[in-house]
Amino acid sequence: GAVVSQHPSRVICKSGTSVKIECRSLDFQATTMFWYRQFPKQSLMLMATSNEGSKATYEQGVEKDKFLINHASLTLSTLTVTSAHPEDSSFYICSAFPGTANEKLFFGSGTQLSVL
Amino acid sequence: GENVEQHPSTLSVQEGDSAVIKCTYSDSASNYFPWYKQELGKGPQLIIDIRSNVGEKKDQRIAVTLNKTAKHFSLHITETQPEDSAVYFCAAKKMNTGFQKLVFGTGTRLLVSP
Repeated sequence: GAVVSQHPSRVICKSGTSVKIECRSLDFQATTMFWYRQFPKQSLMLMATSNEGSKATYEQGVEKDKFLINHASLTLSTLTVTSAHPEDSSFYICSAFPGTANEKLFFGSGTQLSVL
Repeated sequence: GENVEQHPSTLSVQEGDSAVIKCTYSDSASNYFPWYKQELGKGPQLIIDIRSNVGEKKDQRIAVTLNKTAKHFSLHITETQPEDSAVYFCAAKKMNTGFQKLVFGTGTRLLVSP
């Protein structure tokens, strides 16, 4: 299957700092990327949908000023958690969609964010 | 909107036994149903998927069945092995629509004991 690379895998930061997470599609161009959040022992919660060259679409209840998404190219999307607080601690996962010719959705390896 | 329910939430089996995980969906327009395996601390991995134009698909020890009338689909794992232990998620979506948004089930924690 297609490879989606996500970095970093783990980050620990102090409250009030900003953290950037990168998501790259390594062997295909991703017209659409998705960002999910997952709490322990829970399902994936979609945060936002990112399309290359346009503004991200956020799910209800997700603060767009808190979670900044940039999809500057067909192979890279970034999620920046601004002014992180302990309640932002979670597992963040990106996924990439190759395009309508292929319905499969591939996921990155996830980023465990711990805010102290 | 679409809603996907998944059962059971946990499943414990002995090595070599079969495991079955069931999902139901609410939107009859959904026509693509993938299954993902997630190991601890990792992202979900696509293990098998099925489209609504078929009723069953098999890949070695893994199979998925779909009943469109009842809006049910199931994952079947035969001859389970300890390395099958993980959390499994079902999902549903409508193909060829907008942003290809997947709706996930709540997950099943499978434990295969040696």
